[in-house]
Amino acid sequence: QSALTQPPSASGSPGQSVTISCTGTSSDVGGYNRVSWYQQHPGKAPKLMIYDVNKRPSGVPDRFSGSKSGNTASLTVSGLQAEDEADYYCCSYAGDNILGLFGGGTKLTVL
Amino acid sequence: EVQLVESGGTLVQPGGSLRLSCAGSGFIFSDYWMGWARQAPGKGLEWVANIKPDGSVKNHVDSMKGRITISRDNAKNSLYLQMNSLRPEDTAIYFCARDLGWYRADSWGRGTLVTVSS
Repeated sequence: QSALTQPPSASGSPGQSVTISCTGTSSDVGGYNRVSWYQQHPGKAPKLMIYDVNKRPSGVPDRFSGSKSGNTASLTVSGLQAEDEADYYCCSYAGDNILGLFGGGTKLTVL
Repeated sequence: EVQLVESGGTLVQPGGSLRLSCAGSGFIFSDYWMGWARQAPGKGLEWVANIKPDGSVKNHVDSMKGRITISRDNAKNSLYLQMNSLRPEDTAIYFCARDLGWYRADSWGRGTLVTVSS
């Protein structure tokens, strides 16, 4: 199993929207609605931001949203704020008895 | 409040062994899948292993199969990762995570650093 593909970087100005893509295959992203997104600030643990493609855990601002089309999932951050600057990782379920797959991560810069 | 606290990371020589521990509190430990993920310096995240609530199902990453074993002691609210024949490329921060299922890891520890070097 290969890692999912994310762009290494993304950027936007405060108040703008940015979308980060996560491309897999029909055996992972495309095969299940089990894509999650994690935010990680430098030196910190990951934080779950989106699960099951488009669901937000309690406490996550509704500026964060997720979607999926075919083998590609996306995370959209609307109304960018300075504190959104972080690394973002997608993760997909890939079947029973197989560990989940992470993407390579995208560094989001708020200009 | 859910808390996960890892321990056991240290400097170890290539070929050496290490046992990582993760103590959980603030939730019913035996109800949840638990997992270990790692992050090499400056690199991305990688799931290393996970384990079903009752310990009956375990998955390990291919690159470490045969060298690692995940286990848990629900009576002690603890998760473990036994790592043998360690290699320099195993150098990473190892995180413990609570998994709601299907990799919805909603709680993470701060991580413990494993350095494999002579």
